[in-house]
Amino acid sequence: EVQLLESGGGLVQPGGSLRLSCAASGFTFSNYALSWVRQAPGKGLEWVSTLSGSGDTTFLADSVRGRFTISRDNSKNTLYLQMNSLRADDTAIYYCARMLSRLAWLVPFDYWGQGTLVSVSS
Amino acid sequence: DIQMTQSPSSLSASVGDRVTITCRASQGISNYLAWFQQKPGKAPKSLIYAASSLQSGVPSKFSGSGSGTDFTLTISSLQPEDVATYYCQQYKSYPLTFGGGTKVEIK
Repeated sequence: EVQLLESGGGLVQPGGSLRLSCAASGFTFSNYALSWVRQAPGKGLEWVSTLSGSGDTTFLADSVRGRFTISRDNSKNTLYLQMNSLRADDTAIYYCARMLSRLAWLVPFDYWGQGTLVSVSS
Repeated sequence: DIQMTQSPSSLSASVGDRVTITCRASQGISNYLAWFQQKPGKAPKSLIYAASSLQSGVPSKFSGSGSGTDFTLTISSLQPEDVATYYCQQYKSYPLTFGGGTKVEIK
């Protein structure tokens, strides 16, 4: 059974940092690209970042470029999102989502984690 | 960026009704279109990819169609467990973009 379990969310002050993790199980981790998608309270879904299965292709939304970094450790079956210089508008539930291929191009999502809440407030 | 526009933003229908949701892309995306269901307080669930292919385990009452810029999601017979917000999403190019969502309720 495919499982994605996010962790690392919490309350942080503006300008602070957090690192989110997504622990995966039930599939060959390196064979799949993975993404982060967020959802602000009461709002719709917003794509944040995607990383290919091998880790050599990365995409970032303009809203987080220069502040967020996506990475993965294929030996630990874990995806990360390092978030720096956090702002109030980064407040959201952050979901980890698997894509249907190791490539990051032209590939849909299939499985989603349950999400972790990030709150940025003073 | 490719903009995705869904309509309606909300709808209310009776149990057993056929429900159709529309999604329009601001430019042609071939069939690189997915649909998701999100029940209140839950994570999104993938329903359809490639505009019309059902994800594994998704019941056949859900169907998708379209190509280019205009797409539809149809629920053949609405049931109480289908109450949710439905999102479309294009994966033709980055940034990946979602529609604003359609909230489906029971009348």
